[in-house]
Amino acid sequence: DAKTTQPNSMESNEEEPVHLPCNHSTISGTDYIHWYRQLPSQGPEYVIHGLTSNVNNRMASLAIAEDRKSSTLILHRATLRDAAVYYCILRGGSQGNLIFGKGTKLSVKP
Amino acid sequence: EAQVTQNPRYLITVTGKKLTVTCSQNMNHEYMSWYRQDPGLGLRQIYYSMNVEVTDKGDVPEGYKVSRKEKRNFPLILESPSPNQTSLYFCASSFNFRAYEQYFGPGTRLTVT
Repeated sequence: DAKTTQPNSMESNEEEPVHLPCNHSTISGTDYIHWYRQLPSQGPEYVIHGLTSNVNNRMASLAIAEDRKSSTLILHRATLRDAAVYYCILRGGSQGNLIFGKGTKLSVKP
Repeated sequence: EAQVTQNPRYLITVTGKKLTVTCSQNMNHEYMSWYRQDPGLGLRQIYYSMNVEVTDKGDVPEGYKVSRKEKRNFPLILESPSPNQTSLYFCASSFNFRAYEQYFGPGTRLTVT
C-alpha cells in the first residue's frame, strides 16, 4: 500500500483556517485520498475523500496537487471541537480496508 | 439514529478467561471490521467481513475469532486472552467494502491482567 507522510502535530488558533498537509509521493492512479479524524476518547470519523479534483463538504475542503503527490485538508474556521488526530489515508478503488498511519495531532487554542 | 454500538465499553479480565465484545450496527451495512489501537502503533485491522457468513483476516488476527451470522452483528471473540491483547478496540461498518465512508463505534477498552 502506498504510504502517506504527515506532520506529527500542528497548532491553530480558534476561528482561523487550518491547512493540514499530507505527502503521498508513491500514490497510484487508482488510489483515493481519504481523511478521517479521531476526537479524544472517540472512534475515527470520516471527513472527506477525493481522487483528482478539489472537494468540499460541510466539514472541510480537500485540495489535491496536480501531480497527486500531496494533498491538503483545509478547515476553514477551526473550533475547539476540531482538536483531534487527523489521518490521511490512501485507499485503492477496490479495497475496503483502511490503513491508518500516525496522523497529525491538531491542537486548537482559544 | 444511525450508529455502531459496542459492548462492553470497558472490561478488565484475567488471562485465559474467554470473552466476547459485541458490535452492532443499525444501518443495514454489508461491510464490518474490527480494529485495535495501541500507543505508537496506531489503528490496525484485526478481522473484517464483507457480508453475512463471509469473514477474513486483517493485519493482526492472531488470538481473535469473529463470526457474522446476522448482518447487523459482528462479535469479536477472545478465546484465551493474554496481556498483549490489552488495547482499545473499535468496530466499524460501511455500506459495502467499496464505500467511501466507514462508521466507527465508540470503542471498547480492554485490560487483560
